[in-house]
Amino acid sequence: SQQGEEDPQALSIQEGENATMNCSYKTSINNLQWYRQNSGRGLVHLILIRSNEREKHSGRLRVTLDTSKKSSSLLITASRAADTASYFCATDHQGAQKLVFGQGTRLTINP
Amino acid sequence: NAGVTQTPKFQVLKTGQSMTLQCAQDMNHNSMYWYRQDPGMGLRLIYYSASEGTTDKGEVPNGYNVSRLNKREFSLRLESAAPSQTSVYFCASSREGGATGELFFGEGSRLTVL
Repeated sequence: SQQGEEDPQALSIQEGENATMNCSYKTSINNLQWYRQNSGRGLVHLILIRSNEREKHSGRLRVTLDTSKKSSSLLITASRAADTASYFCATDHQGAQKLVFGQGTRLTINP
Repeated sequence: NAGVTQTPKFQVLKTGQSMTLQCAQDMNHNSMYWYRQDPGMGLRLIYYSASEGTTDKGEVPNGYNVSRLNKREFSLRLESAAPSQTSVYFCASSREGGATGELFFGEGSRLTVL
């Protein structure tokens, strides 16, 4: 079964607006990662946040992690058409050797 | 730098046929993974190899076998393909053993089983 669940499943916004995607997970984790997938391509790593971190930034991306609620959010500020893609969170189980991915959020940026 | 290379990119099989998906990485990574991606299901782990010489089952291993041929190469074999194995298959690698680091993905192999 999936460890991470993204919400919403699909999101459509205007260029320039901010996009927020959420991820919830079920068990304790060591880290949580976010990936982007453009249509027909492989996944690309965006950011990793460890369980002892609460917030992390990378360019226009901001990720938060709330381990008490077992949830994370990905914020993309000042969205661009090139941000149109599917976004996935991935989590590990403590001590496990593999990442488990959620079902993804499909983000569409309208010009 | 090629990163993670998968072959073939597209394949059509008939039920019962066999085939091997090839994956190679040139980043000297320790761990390698095979995932499948189906609409609405996200990515599901089939098999992984935490280091050269080891392989372990993931979430959906039935109907598949793997071989970690050397540190660079990790192949996925379908012995008797079934329509339920129609999917997009992704190979990935990571430097660290375990799930502590970034995964690098190939571009995918699109398999259709008729």
